[in-house]
Amino acid sequence: QVQLVESGGGVVQPGRSLRPSCIAPGSTFSGNTLHWVRQAPGKGLEWVASISYDGRNKNYADPVRGRFTISRDNSRRALSVQMTSLRVEDTAVYYCVREGHGTKFQVFDLWGQGIKVTVSS
Amino acid sequence: DIQMTQSPSSLSASVGDRLTITCRASQSINVRLAWFQQKPGKAPKLLIYQASSLESGVPSRFSGSGSGTEFTLTISSLQPDDFAIYYCQQYDQHWTFGQGTKVDIK
Repeated sequence: QVQLVESGGGVVQPGRSLRPSCIAPGSTFSGNTLHWVRQAPGKGLEWVASISYDGRNKNYADPVRGRFTISRDNSRRALSVQMTSLRVEDTAVYYCVREGHGTKFQVFDLWGQGIKVTVSS
Repeated sequence: DIQMTQSPSSLSASVGDRLTITCRASQSINVRLAWFQQKPGKAPKLLIYQASSLESGVPSRFSGSGSGTEFTLTISSLQPDDFAIYYCQQYDQHWTFGQGTKVDIK
């Protein structure tokens, strides 16, 4: 069964760094654009960043641009996001998300279970 | 940035009810709209894409319609498994979500 599995969350102090990652065991996502989407406690969904299938094109939401860096390693079926200069407002569950193909181009068709990141002193 | 506004923000309904949720975009997004269902502690699940295309495996009681700036999600006969939060999302210019509509039991 195709799935995405996140890891690397945790509690970190403001200003510090964290590097959550996501793998796709038993499947390939090398041809898909991948994303990170977050959800602050009790809040709605917010797109964070995306990376093209070949890693060449990256896009970021304004709140994280310059602080977060998205990357991927297709040989390991892995996606990561390097989070630096973390702020309290970055506290959220972070989801790894796959974008579909064809009629589902730019559609978020597969989500990981989510990983919790807490920024607190 | 394109803003997405859902209404209502919450509603109470009974099993068997027909339910409609509305989503409005701040500018035209053609049909580049998706609907997601989220249950507590779980990841969102894709229900509808391209405004009206049903995702594989999603029950046919879910349907979507609309284009441009006005969209609706309809559940024809609410089932116990449908009590959840529903989000619309535009993917015309990057990706933005509505604030969500919580559907709970009357």
